Amino acid sequence: EDQVTQSPEALRLQEGESSSLNCSYTVSGLRGLFWYRQDPGKGPEFLFTLYSAGEEKEKERLKATLTKKESFLHITAPKPEDSATYLCAVQPLMNRDDKIIFGKGTRLHILP
Amino acid sequence: DVKVTQSSRYLVKRTGEKVFLECVQDMDHENMFWYRQDPGLGLRLIYFSYDVKMKEKGDIPEGYSVSREKKERFSLILESASTNQTSMYLCASRVYSNQPQHFGDGTRLSIL
Repeated sequence: EDQVTQSPEALRLQEGESSSLNCSYTVSGLRGLFWYRQDPGKGPEFLFTLYSAGEEKEKERLKATLTKKESFLHITAPKPEDSATYLCAVQPLMNRDDKIIFGKGTRLHILP
Repeated sequence: DVKVTQSSRYLVKRTGEKVFLECVQDMDHENMFWYRQDPGLGLRLIYFSYDVKMKEKGDIPEGYSVSREKKERFSLILESASTNQTSMYLCASRVYSNQPQHFGDGTRLSIL
């Protein structure tokens, strides 16, 4: 069964303390992997798409990487405004109805 | 810039009422989606539509229906609202398969 698991569930960091969020996936081939940021009471905001192992994308303090089994979202020198829930989603290659599978997210809290 | 608009941010209805949630996108996207998001359960797909007048059941379609008469508009209908349908409802659209979905800000629906 296709599955996406994010870890940790929650993470508290001091401002400036770099870390990584993990997204592990088990799918029958990968068509695409997506990272989103979600603020409380709002919809997910698209961050990155990764399509193949070895690919990397960067935006400000965030960098997403992809291997054949997992993706990491690296946060460098985070600021309090980076506090949010980060969601990972996977689109399997062999997926009859073209749906994507979401992980349950990592709640990130950056302390000033 | 991508824009998905949901008609209401907050909505309160009574059990047994017929409830309409509206979603409009201005990007000429082919595909549109309705999710609900609950604590601990993550995002769950209710219905999706590949194109005008087309609809497909997602993972939890019971108690819901949808309508897509125009490309830009996708409506979610709760036929007879029940308290277990209290949730955050999120609409999304994407241009085509393997591209990211873009979300609206959600409707927080309470059924009393």
